[in-house]
Amino acid sequence: GNSVTQMEGPVTLSEEAFLTINCTYTATGYPSLFWYVQYPGEGLQLLLKATKADDKGSNKGFEATYRKETTSFHLEKGSAQVSDSAVYFCALNAGNNRKLIWGLGTSLAVNP
Amino acid sequence: NAGVTQTPKFQVLKTGQSMTLQCAQDMNHEYMSWYRQDPGMGLRLIHYSVGAGITDQGEVPNGYNVSRSTTEDFPLRLLSAAPSQTSVYFCASSYSGGQSNTEAFFGQGTRLTVV
Repeated sequence: GNSVTQMEGPVTLSEEAFLTINCTYTATGYPSLFWYVQYPGEGLQLLLKATKADDKGSNKGFEATYRKETTSFHLEKGSAQVSDSAVYFCALNAGNNRKLIWGLGTSLAVNP
Repeated sequence: NAGVTQTPKFQVLKTGQSMTLQCAQDMNHEYMSWYRQDPGMGLRLIHYSVGAGITDQGEVPNGYNVSRSTTEDFPLRLLSAAPSQTSVYFCASSYSGGQSNTEAFFGQGTRLTVV
């Protein structure tokens, strides 16, 4: 079946450090891949997405590349900020039923 | 532009009580869903709907009912609350069309405690 595996948290970084959160997936067909972010006390919001192999999604300094050969969609940012502290969810949608398959989330804390 | 609106934001129930969590969206989305979020367990799908009059079960439907009489509204009912239903509940909606790349929009969540 379809599944998403994220690196376990919590992840703690210093401000301006390189940020990476790993995500790998298992899916039949050609899924779309998403990163959602949840700031404290809020709902989830879409951070970026990629819909086919080798696509790169980007937003707010974050990037993730859809790697079909390694079934990965790792989230990266060159310089983490305190305001990036949040929980990050990797997700996929492998079919036309619009159901999202979620990773367990990775909590990130960026310290000044 | 309200997006997805959930009410209430916080609720405390006694075991055995019933209540309805409200969810409304103003984006004319056909697909709506309810999730619960528990520590270490990510998001788990409770129920979902692909359009008015159509609902289906997700991963963890027991103890919850839903209905979809209009495109805008998708209430979640707890018929007899149990402590195991203590959680944060999120409603989400997305555009229809059978595409896998559509974005899901989430409400702010309802933090429910059952004592």
